[in-house]
Amino acid sequence: DQQVKQNSPSLSVQEGRISILNCDYTNSMFDYFLWYKKYPAEGPTFLISISSIKDKNEDGRFTVFLNKSAKHLSLHIVPSQPGDSAVYFCAAKGPGSGNTGKLIFGQGTTLQVKP
Amino acid sequence: KAGVTQTPRYLIKTRGQQVTLSCSPISGHRSVSWYQQTPGQGLQFLFEYFSETQRNKGNFPGRFSGRQFSNSRSEMNVSTLELGDSALYLCASSLGTGAAGAFFGQGTRLTVV
Repeated sequence: DQQVKQNSPSLSVQEGRISILNCDYTNSMFDYFLWYKKYPAEGPTFLISISSIKDKNEDGRFTVFLNKSAKHLSLHIVPSQPGDSAVYFCAAKGPGSGNTGKLIFGQGTTLQVKP
Repeated sequence: KAGVTQTPRYLIKTRGQQVTLSCSPISGHRSVSWYQQTPGQGLQFLFEYFSETQRNKGNFPGRFSGRQFSNSRSEMNVSTLELGDSALYLCASSLGTGAAGAFFGQGTRLTVV
């Protein structure tokens, strides 16, 4: 039962162009969403997040969009840089600290930005 | 301040053996979560500990267990290892349970042969 899905295992983009990574979820109780970036041989690092009361959050070159009715979120990277090449995980959690409050991750999307 | 430290970084075990992995969270963080990462499966939640108590548990067999000590350090144990247990095991620490923006360690790469 994959509650958070990243249907594209990989994405290749030219440097300077926009990268769009997508994520779908099934649990309507989720109210907080995060993106993590992971380089080989390192643990995931937090990138950006969004609360369900918003539909957009921007931080520099990174913007996350949330469409609650479609249960879909996306991460936009503009402009893409070769150093952005990594595996990107989306994650979601519900309210509180109980079972609904644990972070559920997607399968990850490997982004390659070509110079 | 020091980040999340996981030991060992790499481990090779044979089927049927048991293994213990260690995680030291960021100073002041009381919540430790464990994840298993395998290709195509992403990060699968194993369990979460807060103040020495297991607060959440994922859908893994009873061979996977954990504990947390009074200093918030956590250990994860896998008994009767199977080939399919080969994975990267990641530990994440945060201030409290359910806290978003957890900080991850570099992981322990376990290979079962």
